[in-house]
Amino acid sequence: NAGVTQTPKFRVLKTGQSMTLLCAQDMNHEYMYWYRQDPGMGLRLIHYSVGEGTTAKGEVPDGYNVSRLKKQNFLLGLESAAPSQTSVYFCASSDPRGLGNTEAFFGQGTRLTVV
Amino acid sequence: AQSVTQLGSHVSVSEGALVLLRCNYSSSVPPYLFWYVQYPNQGLQLLLKYTSAATLVKGINGFEAEFKKSETSFHLTKPSAHMSDAAEYFCAVSDHRGGNQFYFGTGTSLTVIP
Repeated sequence: NAGVTQTPKFRVLKTGQSMTLLCAQDMNHEYMYWYRQDPGMGLRLIHYSVGEGTTAKGEVPDGYNVSRLKKQNFLLGLESAAPSQTSVYFCASSDPRGLGNTEAFFGQGTRLTVV
Repeated sequence: AQSVTQLGSHVSVSEGALVLLRCNYSSSVPPYLFWYVQYPNQGLQLLLKYTSAATLVKGINGFEAEFKKSETSFHLTKPSAHMSDAAEYFCAVSDHRGGNQFYFGTGTSLTVIP
């Protein structure tokens, strides 16, 4: 089972460039999330989605946009990258409707460096 | 609002010694609580979870955690540390009655000394 797949795994951007991170899940989960992980700060929620066609802001949404056009995919966009967006990005999914299925499932991460 | 505090950003134990990683939570609803482990350059893997059933929860790799409502704690323990336990550990709480958002602590890096 693939679970949650993120592409790309690594990327280097120049300041001002744009890019899209793709997250795909094959578990038919309703909820999907984008987090960023920075040293000493744990995981912070950027945006999340509770279903196809819906998105909502998390704790640190500024500078990012998201889209959930298909249930299995959740895209994270950076329109104009800044060095402060250098981080490791994790996508996750969950489906609290499932009996006993309460946890979030994570992808392997995307390491982004903005120079 | 939900939040998690992990005491100790770095913990070192000798191989074979007790592992104790501390987690305290704040939640406006009966919480669902989780411990995740992250090995270098990998994603987060679920160790165990508490979802209002038994207060003592057993997970993978010999870890367990006890939910103590009176102390708002969910500390992670393992009786005997193994070298392979060296990793980053995250405690998390979810607002399962809302948007099912997960709130993470800042993590504890576990070093196992041979």
